[in-house]
Amino acid sequence: GESVGLHLPTLSVQEGDNSIINCAYSNSASDYFIWYKQESGKGPQFIIDIRSNMDKRQGQRVTVLLNKTVKHLSLQIAATQPGDSAVYFCAENLSGDSNYQLIWGAGTKLIIKP
Amino acid sequence: EPEVTQTPSHQVTQMGQEVILRCVPISNHLYFYWYRQILGQKVEFLVSFYNNEISEKSEIFDDQFSVERPDGSNFTLKIRSTKLEDSAMYFCASRVPNEQFFGPGTRLTVL
Repeated sequence: GESVGLHLPTLSVQEGDNSIINCAYSNSASDYFIWYKQESGKGPQFIIDIRSNMDKRQGQRVTVLLNKTVKHLSLQIAATQPGDSAVYFCAENLSGDSNYQLIWGAGTKLIIKP
Repeated sequence: EPEVTQTPSHQVTQMGQEVILRCVPISNHLYFYWYRQILGQKVEFLVSFYNNEISEKSEIFDDQFSVERPDGSNFTLKIRSTKLEDSAMYFCASRVPNEQFFGPGTRLTVL
């Protein structure tokens, strides 16, 4: 079946460097994408979202890029800090799904090296 | 800042027993959800709830599962006869347009 997946299960980054977390999706009908951060022992926390009519969206220290041609989504975190250590999930919402049922990727664990 | 709360934080039960997981969504939200996350795996959708009825449910949400909004604030997930494979973190969420807010989760351990 169609699903959202992540390229790398673990990403190790030096503190202060930029992090790029990637996600591939296979459902071309998806029109809304979200990145979540999940810290150990906590529930997922919304970071940033993007609609399919956009290819880039910026937040505070984070940028999401969407490439619909290759069905690829990425999350860029600028100047990575120890507090960014978490598992990052991408999720997609299928077009026309008014109930906001998200399909989640497998998650990438971001490790910050001091 | 309003938040979704869940109780208990950890529930241990024997296989075959019934459990009820409780959630208090954010007060002005109208859409409610349950997800589960087996240890080390991705988050899986279970059910969505709107206007006092189930909107959608996944194949995981079989006859052993049920949800209720017994009053104006609580939203519960009941598992009638727990199985070992029900052991997971269960997250409740509620939403306003374009953003879901998740609770901290209940860790369910079935022995």
